[in-house]
Amino acid sequence: GNSVTQMEGPVTLSEEAFLTINCTYTATGYPSLFWYVQYPGEGLQLLLKATKADDKGSNKGFEATYRKETTSFHLEKGSVQVSDSAVYFCALPNDYKLSFGAGTTVTVRA
Amino acid sequence: NAGVMQNPRHLVRRRGQEARLRCSPMKGHSHVYWYRQLPEEGLKFMVYLQKENIIDESGMPKERFSAEFPKEGPSILRIQQVVRGDSAAYFCASSPTGDDGNTIYFGEGSWLTVV
Repeated sequence: GNSVTQMEGPVTLSEEAFLTINCTYTATGYPSLFWYVQYPGEGLQLLLKATKADDKGSNKGFEATYRKETTSFHLEKGSVQVSDSAVYFCALPNDYKLSFGAGTTVTVRA
Repeated sequence: NAGVMQNPRHLVRRRGQEARLRCSPMKGHSHVYWYRQLPEEGLKFMVYLQKENIIDESGMPKERFSAEFPKEGPSILRIQQVVRGDSAAYFCASSPTGDDGNTIYFGEGSWLTVV
């Protein structure tokens, strides 16, 4: 079945630093790709998604581009804030359910 | 449009007791998923249900765990005779259909602690 492999953390950054979290996928065809974010003590929120190759998803300053040639969907943000401290999950459909990466814990220090 | 509603948010049970977790999907959504997140681990799929039907329970432990999504009312995840290893966050999610590519929306989670 479809699966994702996600860069493991934890990642610690200073405010205004550049953030990249790597995600690669193995899939049949070209499924939609997702990034979810989980803030401490909360559920998962959809951060962004891309539904086809070369699409770029973006939200809250985060971006990710669906690249079929490298089977990747890396998450990037140019200037992180303390409020971006969270766990980030890459995901894709596997049949009718989502399969998630292991999650990357990001801590941003002031 | 209210999101996915889960309750209770936090639940403490003694070993051997039963835990019941409830989930009301988003309005218009007929597909419900349950995931479990163990401490310091990612999300693991447990079960996928449509109204009155269990479609896929391949992620459910074989014993003590059951799920339902009745015609009326919320979806219920039931854990009988809880053990310490059941302590985790249980997340419900819903989608309007089960088609690939449909975004699924998560609730805030139910945190179960077994003492």
